[in-house]
Amino acid sequence: DAGVIQSPRHEVTEMGQEVTLRCKPISGHDYLFWYRQTMMRGLELLIYFNNNVPIDDSGMPEDRFSAKMPNASFSTLKIQPSEPRDSAVYFCASSLSRTSGSHEQFFGPGTRLTVL
Amino acid sequence: GESVGLHLPTLSVQEGDNSIINCAYSNSASDYFIWYKQESGKGPQFIIDIRSNMDKRQGQRVTVLLNKTVKHLSLQIAATQPGDSAVYFCAENRRTGGFKTIFGAGTRLFVKA
Repeated sequence: DAGVIQSPRHEVTEMGQEVTLRCKPISGHDYLFWYRQTMMRGLELLIYFNNNVPIDDSGMPEDRFSAKMPNASFSTLKIQPSEPRDSAVYFCASSLSRTSGSHEQFFGPGTRLTVL
Repeated sequence: GESVGLHLPTLSVQEGDNSIINCAYSNSASDYFIWYKQESGKGPQFIIDIRSNMDKRQGQRVTVLLNKTVKHLSLQIAATQPGDSAVYFCAENRRTGGFKTIFGAGTRLFVKA
């Protein structure tokens, strides 16, 4: 498997524009996570899905952020409208549920978003 | 409040020496504690985990120690190599109300050749 795939790797946009980040989890994994990483706030969990269903979106900053998972192999994180403070690296991760174990998460390479 | 934090933001060690990275946590409800490594320009990578009912677990060149009395977690890296240079995060899994991983702030490890 190629691992978790994210696109684009880099995105530069202007304030007010819509941004869509994409993620393809590892085949067979049933959990998908979206994180945001900044120097100031570290690695923050935004939302996670189990079997394509959103379970916890308490980390989503505000209504400008939305995430979907239409099927087991694809998820999107959308920001509309984008603001300069949204500039960060956004990671997608996936994991496989087990009856025991810590549910190791496999992270993608991230999307570096810059909002001007 | 509940948090997972780190004692030392930066650690510099000589190649070949052992490294110890520390982490403090405040929530006793977590069932697993995990260490991740993040190299520059990459996503975090799982290193090792430990269940909350254990106090020690060993992997390849790494050992994780858990002291629940003082709510302290540490990662020991034996014979540190230049390739170990990275940011290390401790994290905890909380099963209450779902499955959620909370990451600490991270410690940057520099390995001097």
